[in-house]
Amino acid sequence: EADIYQTPRYLVIGTGKKITLECSQTMGHDKMYWYQQDPGMELHLIHYSYGVNSTEKGDLSSESTVSRIRTEHFPLTLESARPSHTSQYLCASSETGTLAKNIQYFGAGTRLSVL
Amino acid sequence: GESVGLHLPTLSVQEGDNSIINCAYSNSASDYFIWYKQESGKGPQFIIDIRSNMDKRQGQRVTVLLNKTVKHLSLQIAATQPGDSAVYFCAENSGGSNYKLTFGKGTLLTVNP
Repeated sequence: EADIYQTPRYLVIGTGKKITLECSQTMGHDKMYWYQQDPGMELHLIHYSYGVNSTEKGDLSSESTVSRIRTEHFPLTLESARPSHTSQYLCASSETGTLAKNIQYFGAGTRLSVL
Repeated sequence: GESVGLHLPTLSVQEGDNSIINCAYSNSASDYFIWYKQESGKGPQFIIDIRSNMDKRQGQRVTVLLNKTVKHLSLQIAATQPGDSAVYFCAENSGGSNYKLTFGKGTLLTVNP
């Protein structure tokens, strides 16, 4: 059972609002990730972090930003939400080390709807 | 760019039958693969993994087969149960030592009672 938590689970918000999606893990993992997933579709990496004060953009361009001030916390922020941001956002974490430690453990996701 | 994809978007089986979910990958340098199960309203859950120096790995009721010659990965589920109904994704380590996963399109498995 993965100890990685995302809040809120569901968020409906108006265009132009600033939002922060929270992600926390209690496993002490160095690596954390954010994915965007549309219904029934594959996951696209939008941000990742290999440790405190380390953040990188993923393969899919995103207007969101992330920060990693603490090992266990990896929040994602949208400064001005738009309907095109409507999607599910999944957070994951993994250890550092050999290939087998690359297993990513996922939170339950935040389903965002921007009106 | 490199990609991981699935042959069949949906699979419907009878309870008790065996299920086979297929995945094609294009990055011949990929050295590690993972199968995930995603139930409705939940995040992906790890099922089984395999390194590129293996061609088969077994878990509890699941087996992953890797054919590097044709760059093909499959997940076999024995005695499929209604609780196995979910979307299944394969993922490959596309980042080398950076360990980034690239996910393929999912296959929806429906188990009929």
